Amino acid sequence: EAGVTQFPSHSVIEKGQTVTLRCDPISGHDNLYWYRRVMGKEIKFLLHFVKESKQDESGMPNNRFLAERTGGTYSTLKVQPAELEDSGVYFCASSPWAGGTEAFFGQGTRLTVV
Amino acid sequence: AQTVTQSQPEMSVQEAETVTLSCTYDTSESDYYLFWYKQPPSRQMILVIRQEAYKQQNATENRFSVNFQKAAKSFSLKISDSQLGDAAMYFCAYRSADGLTFGKGTHLIIQP
Repeated sequence: EAGVTQFPSHSVIEKGQTVTLRCDPISGHDNLYWYRRVMGKEIKFLLHFVKESKQDESGMPNNRFLAERTGGTYSTLKVQPAELEDSGVYFCASSPWAGGTEAFFGQGTRLTVV
Repeated sequence: AQTVTQSQPEMSVQEAETVTLSCTYDTSESDYYLFWYKQPPSRQMILVIRQEAYKQQNATENRFSVNFQKAAKSFSLKISDSQLGDAAMYFCAYRSADGLTFGKGTHLIIQP
């Protein structure tokens, strides 16, 4: 069974450009989460999808970040325009249902804004 | 809001020795789940061990075990017989219905 996959694994863009990160959750997992880890700091929650609906987007830092999950399958996280402080590792995780089950993580996308 | 605190930014242990990573959390909930995740240099987050708060028995997975003290809101991870492959960032996490709250992580170094 394929795990959570994220693409690209690494992206370097200039300040002001746009970047789109993609996450393919494990098939059948309704819950999809985005997290971000800025260098040396804790992993921060960004948002949570249940199928195609945004259950909680309280962690999204500002309106330069837009997440979608069309059809309740894969998800994209777009940063437009990117700023220097957006650099970090963006993790996606999925789980079959909310609650106590573990979340399965992707390998992350390292975003570097220069 | 839940908070998770890992007070050890870095720990070092000799190969084959035992090391304990500490984690405390703050919550007003009575039913929840706690996890330890490992992130090796490959960057993939891997679940190490899970503890249900309603279970008094400490979880164990081979060389990994936890000391769960619910009243003290403490959830430490013990790694026995440390191996070179255990070197990684270790994150303690609290799980609620909305998702995971992570600690800042502990960088574990294994000395050969």
